[in-house]
Amino acid sequence: GESVGLHLPTLSVQEGDNSIINCAYSNSASDYFIWYKQESGKGPQFIIDIRSNMDKRQGQRVTVLLNKTVKHLSLQIAATQPGDSAVYFCAEKEGFQKLVFGTGTRLLVSP
Amino acid sequence: DAGVTQSPTHLIKTRGQQVTLRCSPKSGHDTVSWYQQALGQGPQFIFQYYEEEERQRGNFPDRFSGHQFPNYSSELNVNALLLGDSALYLCASSLPRLDEQYFGPGTRLTVT
Repeated sequence: GESVGLHLPTLSVQEGDNSIINCAYSNSASDYFIWYKQESGKGPQFIIDIRSNMDKRQGQRVTVLLNKTVKHLSLQIAATQPGDSAVYFCAEKEGFQKLVFGTGTRLLVSP
Repeated sequence: DAGVTQSPTHLIKTRGQQVTLRCSPKSGHDTVSWYQQALGQGPQFIFQYYEEEERQRGNFPDRFSGHQFPNYSSELNVNALLLGDSALYLCASSLPRLDEQYFGPGTRLTVT
């Protein structure tokens, strides 16, 4: 079936660095993508989303890039802080509003 | 503005038993989706409710059923529990014409 996967299971960065989390998706018909942050013991927290008619979208300290040619999605976090340490998931929409998640990337930020 | 709430927070059940989990959507949201998240994995879509009906379903057996009430809150029922049903059960709410889904804190179910 269709799936969304991540290239790197764990990413370690220093505080203040920029972080890039990558994601590959397989359903070329997907028109909506979303990034979530999940801290231990909590539910996923919405970070940013993007539609397939866009290549880039910026939020506060975060940017999502979409490359439909190679079916690749990335999340860039500027000036990473210790509070950014969490597991990050990308997901694509399938059907009405079904979200298909990957296994996640753990981001570790060292002070 | 209240976010998505779920109850209970934790639950321990014995294999073969039945369980009911509850979800109240974010204020103003009328669509509720349920996900199962096994340890170390991403959430897996179970089903979605809109206008008190199941609108879309993932690859879960009939042991998993749900309900949505007129006030948009929802229940997830799991019958004949298996050890493999142990997971974090997440509820997400949204508006039908907007794709953003907001998740609750989840219910941690342990089946022994």
